[in-house]
Amino acid sequence: AQSVAQPEDQVNVAEGNPLTVKCTYSVSGNPYLFWYVQYPNRGLQFLLKYITGDNLVKGSYGFEAEFNKSQTSFHLKKPSALVSDSALYFCAVIPFSGGYNKLIFGAGTRLAVHP
Amino acid sequence: NAGVMQNPRHLVRRRGQEARLRCSPMKGHSHVYWYRQLPEEGLKFMVYLQKENIIDESGMPKERFSAEFPKEGPSILRIQQVVRGDSAAYFCASSPRPGQGANYGYTFGSGTRLTVV
Repeated sequence: AQSVAQPEDQVNVAEGNPLTVKCTYSVSGNPYLFWYVQYPNRGLQFLLKYITGDNLVKGSYGFEAEFNKSQTSFHLKKPSALVSDSALYFCAVIPFSGGYNKLIFGAGTRLAVHP
Repeated sequence: NAGVMQNPRHLVRRRGQEARLRCSPMKGHSHVYWYRQLPEEGLKFMVYLQKENIIDESGMPKERFSAEFPKEGPSILRIQQVVRGDSAAYFCASSPRPGQGANYGYTFGSGTRLTVV
């Protein structure tokens, strides 16, 4: 079955420290990978995506993610966390195999950045 | 370009009533996807529609839930005889075509938060 795993329910980081939010996937075909962020009582905001090319992709608000095909991972990273980064982060995948493909989400990881 | 518009933002219904959630896709988008987010959970796919067609409803509960995307007007997610377990945030996304949706990461609306009392 196609799935996305975010192994950590919550990640706690001190402001100014680097952060990592983990994501692994299990899909057939070539994956298109995404990260979204959700602030309280808001919709999803697109952060970044990997479609093809360079394994390190850069996105909004200083976030980046690295696609690792051998480990089937797409971890989200930021060199220096801000308190305003505190939110719910979702990893998602489209298992592209031609034709119609839907977005499959992980369960989400709550990021808490402490002053 | 106004983006994906969902209304209402908040909806309160008593058990047994009907809930109607509306989604207007981005201009030029003819593909709509509905997702449900239960409290403290991730987003679960419900249904994918093109204009006047349901393409994939594999995530829709078998009873009480239906969706449509008419030729004119918004997409509607309809929940009949609501129960407390239907309380959730319902998100809509749109894309011009599935492939372009993949490239552009889909555009999501702000969601409708349904509370069943």
